[in-house]
Amino acid sequence: EAQVTQNPRYLITVTGKKLTVTCSQNMNHEYMSWYRQDPGLGLRQIYYSMNVEVTDKGDVPEGYKVSRKEKRNFPLILESPSPNQTSLYFCASSPTTSGLYNEQFFGPGTRLTVL
Amino acid sequence: EDQVTQSPEALRLQEGESSSLNCSYTVSGLRGLFWYRQDPGKGPEFLFTLYSAGEEKEKERLKATLTKKESFLHITAPKPEDSATYLCAVRPSGSARQLTFGSGTQLTVLP
Repeated sequence: EAQVTQNPRYLITVTGKKLTVTCSQNMNHEYMSWYRQDPGLGLRQIYYSMNVEVTDKGDVPEGYKVSRKEKRNFPLILESPSPNQTSLYFCASSPTTSGLYNEQFFGPGTRLTVL
Repeated sequence: EDQVTQSPEALRLQEGESSSLNCSYTVSGLRGLFWYRQDPGKGPEFLFTLYSAGEEKEKERLKATLTKKESFLHITAPKPEDSATYLCAVRPSGSARQLTFGSGTQLTVLP
């Protein structure tokens, strides 16, 4: 089944404790992206990757890191989480980085709480 | 700065009561406007892509239309299973960052 998977789905942690949220897709997509979703603010892009070893900042990159060493994986790293990073996080992938169509496939989400 | 505004924030309909959701956008050249559906506790699910003013797309009870300043998602004779949050997003031309999302319209269809 074609899908984007994220782990963990739920995470409660404390301020300053490094964590990684994994994202994997099995559709051989070039483009992958991380979003956070907060009430009233919609989905905001954190980082994106056009292909392996190519990453760039989105709208709200502060406090986050990413890497793209393999095409299928795009982990999100919080080196020193803070309470304002409490949010619902989504990973997404897309089959093309250019061209007209741009359907993104989203993962199921990771709900993160930073105490 | 690219901006997407959706209205209303929330909409309650009786089953069978048709209505429309609005997505107004300001963007430096539009390369695509997208509609997604999001159910509680799940990731957004793609519905439509519209590329140019005048374009329309349909899927079951949903019909999306596009003008130069806004898009409408028309829901005809909705059913309770159409209850969800509907998200609109735009991709500006020349942007590598792909999508800017609106904050969504939460639709509730009562039986």
